[in-house]
Amino acid sequence: EVQLVESGGGLVKPGGSVRLSCAASGFTFTSYSMRWVRQAPGKGPEWVSSINADSFFMYYADSVKGRFTVSRDNANNLLFLQMNSLRAEDTGVYYCARYYDSWSAYDYWGQGAQVTVSS
Amino acid sequence: NFMLTQPHSVSESPGKTVTISCTRTSGTIASNYVQWYRRRPGGAPTIVIYEDDQRPSGVPDRFSGSIDSSSNSASLTISGLKTEDEADYFCQSYDDNDHGVFGGGTKLTVL
Repeated sequence: EVQLVESGGGLVKPGGSVRLSCAASGFTFTSYSMRWVRQAPGKGPEWVSSINADSFFMYYADSVKGRFTVSRDNANNLLFLQMNSLRAEDTGVYYCARYYDSWSAYDYWGQGAQVTVSS
Repeated sequence: NFMLTQPHSVSESPGKTVTISCTRTSGTIASNYVQWYRRRPGGAPTIVIYEDDQRPSGVPDRFSGSIDSSSNSASLTISGLKTEDEADYFCQSYDDNDHGVFGGGTKLTVL
């Protein structure tokens, strides 16, 4: 069974940092590119970042470019999102999702990790 | 860049049919595939339609997707509504850089 479990969220002050992790299981992690998607309160989801299977390609939404860094540890089936210089507008639930090429879709998602940026 | 516009909420009775729209604000809806996801309260999003009208195994055939070039929109139709269908539904497509673009989500109430 495919499982994605996020961790590392919490309350952080503006300008602070937090590192999210996503533990993957139930599939061959090294065969899939991965995504981070966030959802702010009362808003629709927003794509945040993409990383391909071998970490050769990484992409970011303009809203987080230069502040967030995506990475992965294929040996341990882990996906990360390092979030620096956090702002109030970064508050939301952060989901990791698997991208399935054959469907052109995010076929599995985690339950999400809450990140709240507030003083 | 374009946006995907969805109604904030829809409601319908059990056993009836409901259609949720997703309108692309610029460019053509057929340019990039549209997916639909469901998120029940407290749950992880799950995919219900991919590539405009394809249904993953395990998703009931009560769920169907379509696109309409004349209105530049995609639609998710759920027939034979059940109370378990109550959830948030959001559409998703891709921009020219193949990065995800999401709709604002529609809260479906089955009452």
